Order: sequence, then C-alpha cells, then structure tokens
Amino acid sequence: DTEVTQTPKHLVMGMTNKKSLKCEQHMGHRAMYWYKQKAKKPPELMFVYSYEKLSINESVPSRFSPECPNSSLLNLHLHALQPEDSALYLCASSQEGNSGAYNEQFFGPGTRLTVL
Amino acid sequence: AQKVTQAQTEISVVEKEDVTLDCVYETRDTTYYLFWYKQPPSGELVFLIRRNSFDEQNEISGRYSWNFQKSTSSFNFTITASQVVDSAVYFCALSRIGTSYGKLTFGQGTILTVHP
Repeated sequence: DTEVTQTPKHLVMGMTNKKSLKCEQHMGHRAMYWYKQKAKKPPELMFVYSYEKLSINESVPSRFSPECPNSSLLNLHLHALQPEDSALYLCASSQEGNSGAYNEQFFGPGTRLTVL
Repeated sequence: AQKVTQAQTEISVVEKEDVTLDCVYETRDTTYYLFWYKQPPSGELVFLIRRNSFDEQNEISGRYSWNFQKSTSSFNFTITASQVVDSAVYFCALSRIGTSYGKLTFGQGTILTVHP
C-alpha cells in the first residue's frame, strides 16, 4: 500500500476560523512532510517530522501549527490565516534508507485551501 | 547551495511525438539523489524515478527513459510516443544524502501538453 491520504480535499475558511488538515500513511515511513504549493510554482517545504519529532521548520508563520500524534498521522492546524495563504497543501512521507539517507517522497492528493 | 534548473517552461507536442524534458542541477555534495515527479491536473505529485549520484546508468521504464550525465550535471527525461495522458507538470528535484531529512530542491517545473 503506497498511499498517502489527505483530508479534506477542499477547504474554504474565513480569516478568523480555526481548521485542521489531516494526513495519514500506512507505509511505515518515519519521515513526514508538509508542503505549500501556489499555482504554477513548485512545492515549498514547510515542515519535516522525523520519528515523530519536528526536525525542520522552514520559518513558517505561527498561524500554521504542525502536529504528529503518531508515526502514521500528521496534522496541520490553521488559525487566523490570510488570503495569501490560499494554496494547495501537500503532505508526503518517506522511508529512511541506508546511512541516514531519505528515499523518495510519496505525496498525498493535497488539500486545496481558500482563505476568504 | 543546491539549485535545479528546468529551462523549458512549457512544451507542446502532438500525440506520438517523442519529447525530452531537460534538467540541470548544481550541488557541492559528492553524493546526492535526483528525482523526477509528475503532477497531473488533479494535483498529486507522482514519483517517477530516483537516481543515486554514483549510478550513472540510464534507465528505461516503458515509454519513459532517463539520461543521467554527471559530467554535465544533467538528468534529462524522455517520453517516447507521447500520449494525452502524459499531459502534466513535470518536476526535477535534488536532495542531499545524510543530514537534510530528504529535503527536496525542486526545479520550476515544465508544463507538458500533449495534443491528440
């Protein structure tokens, strides 16, 4: 089963709302990632969790709050977002290979977020 | 610093034509991974291939083939006998081996449109 699932597929929220994005994988991968992708641009890394610990935060504003409850789940909590945060949010996971190298990332279908 | 350049922003071909997507990279690392991903209109990034820096063998998978040349820092992707279903954005990416949790440096992407 090489699948990463994300919910919801679409989300519309106001600037005062609090919402969460969810990601799940059952491939036994120990690294999970959040990316933000604007139209016609490559994905931009936001966060990396390795073995359920936050390993990379790419200077993301605090209105985005990641959480890794267990090795299969990754959440992204959203609060007080701005219209410019509207984007496709992608989750990915990968397996740690030999010598600490991380193999290819498998991506979920993404959540299309619109902030009004 | 790492950098990936995909000079072709958009390519348009007619079905059954062969098409090559170019990728040039820059890195100071001696060991690294190179990847190609496909992103169809649905949004999900689909992993196509991973190549290790010390493995310069070319690879063929069905209609897809990849040419890795370390001497020119290039990792080009050819689709033979293109089909409409190949229409997508294709990203070339690079990652360090060892300390970066698999962090990907993406190129800007090439939009491929295959016309019937």
